[in-house]
Amino acid sequence: SYELTQPPSVSVSPGQTASITCSGDKLGNTYASWYQQKPGQSPVLVIYQDTKRPSGIPERFSGSSSGNTATLTISGTQAMDEADYYCQAWGSSTVVFGGGTKLTVL
Amino acid sequence: QVQLVESGGGVVQPGRSLRLSCAASGVTFSSFAMHWVRQAPGKGLEWVAVISHDGSKKYYADSVKGRFTISRDNSKNTLYLQMNSLRAEDTAVYYCARDPAAVAGPMDVWGQGTTVTVSS
Repeated sequence: SYELTQPPSVSVSPGQTASITCSGDKLGNTYASWYQQKPGQSPVLVIYQDTKRPSGIPERFSGSSSGNTATLTISGTQAMDEADYYCQAWGSSTVVFGGGTKLTVL
Repeated sequence: QVQLVESGGGVVQPGRSLRLSCAASGVTFSSFAMHWVRQAPGKGLEWVAVISHDGSKKYYADSVKGRFTISRDNSKNTLYLQMNSLRAEDTAVYYCARDPAAVAGPMDVWGQGTTVTVSS
């Protein structure tokens, strides 16, 4: 079955840039989306179609894609950005989520 | 404002059935595909199923195929998930989510979730 691979954890200092990758062999042919989930809350869409940001999402969140890897970048990371992040894509007639990355802002 | 409210969760014995509902408000429900996504305790997100805006297309995760059925009633602005032959591994918070595109995502609005516990 189709899989998306993310690093389990990423750490970043406040004000620095955090990058979270998502790799999958079909990502070159389909769009990736990214979701933020804080403890006890529902997920929130932060990036869709690889690079687009929904209204209300801060500009410090950006996305990119190259080959079979999509990347979520958070510039000027703030303490409030500490959360789990999931990538998502479509492949083999199913929706797939990555395993999630816990972002820690130290 | 768009709102999705799930209901129908609870504690159920293995092998039994449960039907979840997701009521939509503030949105033209019939225009959007809808997903069910679940999250087991302490685990990541797992996609369950999706239904197209008119109900003509349905897709399922392998883990639930043949046991779960997704459906919708556009006249009632409601999404359903019929869950049969429940197993302990189906224990999770179940979210419904709106898909403004087709069936491939993204999911731009999520409900608050309803908890399903499968236990004897």
